[in-house]
Amino acid sequence: DAGITQSPRHKVTETGTPVTLRCHQTENHRYMYWYRQDPGHGLRLIHYSYGVKDTDKGEVSDGYSVSRSKTEDFLLTLESATSSQTSVYFCAITAQGDYGYTFGSGTRLTVV
Amino acid sequence: KNEVEQSPQNLTAQEGEFITINCSYSVGISALHWLQQHPGGGIVSLFMLSSGKKKHGRLIATINIQEKHSSLHITASHPRDSAVYICAVSPNTGNQFYFGTGTSLTVIP
Repeated sequence: DAGITQSPRHKVTETGTPVTLRCHQTENHRYMYWYRQDPGHGLRLIHYSYGVKDTDKGEVSDGYSVSRSKTEDFLLTLESATSSQTSVYFCAITAQGDYGYTFGSGTRLTVV
Repeated sequence: KNEVEQSPQNLTAQEGEFITINCSYSVGISALHWLQQHPGGGIVSLFMLSSGKKKHGRLIATINIQEKHSSLHITASHPRDSAVYICAVSPNTGNQFYFGTGTSLTVIP
């Protein structure tokens, strides 16, 4: 969707290195989310944001941190990447909690 | 414990068949969503519904709030319908979705 972009689309990194994924939106939506998708699991929430500098943890937040210094950008950082963090990461945005989501195209991260 | 359960997990159909994918949930919700994910692709929203039925082309989504159940139907299925279909719910409290694990549909020509 043109209103939300993720970067990079693909990344391979080594265990122990820090990695930052970026989600950028042009919709001025309040809520932004980071999910990971793994085989056998539904999308699982890592962190979400309900406004600038307002973030909260999801169900799988260990090993991840986020920042939202402006409305349009939500950054996900893996402080020290591990092989268990190999996954596809999706960013999503919504204007309100019970409205439809718009998803980014995903970032495929491989930690070797 | 998974708040959203989908069935079947995998489904193979012949082109032209009528397809049903089911979703059951255990929490009070404000809305239910059906999403579609093509192989290697992003996720797109098909329907958002809180009651009754919605139709878009060959896709029909229904929900029964009392039974906490929704179905996604595809009429006259086509190979391009091959994708993973994901059910998600917006609970009454909080600002996050709960997702099912998805139903992988393959439509054979």
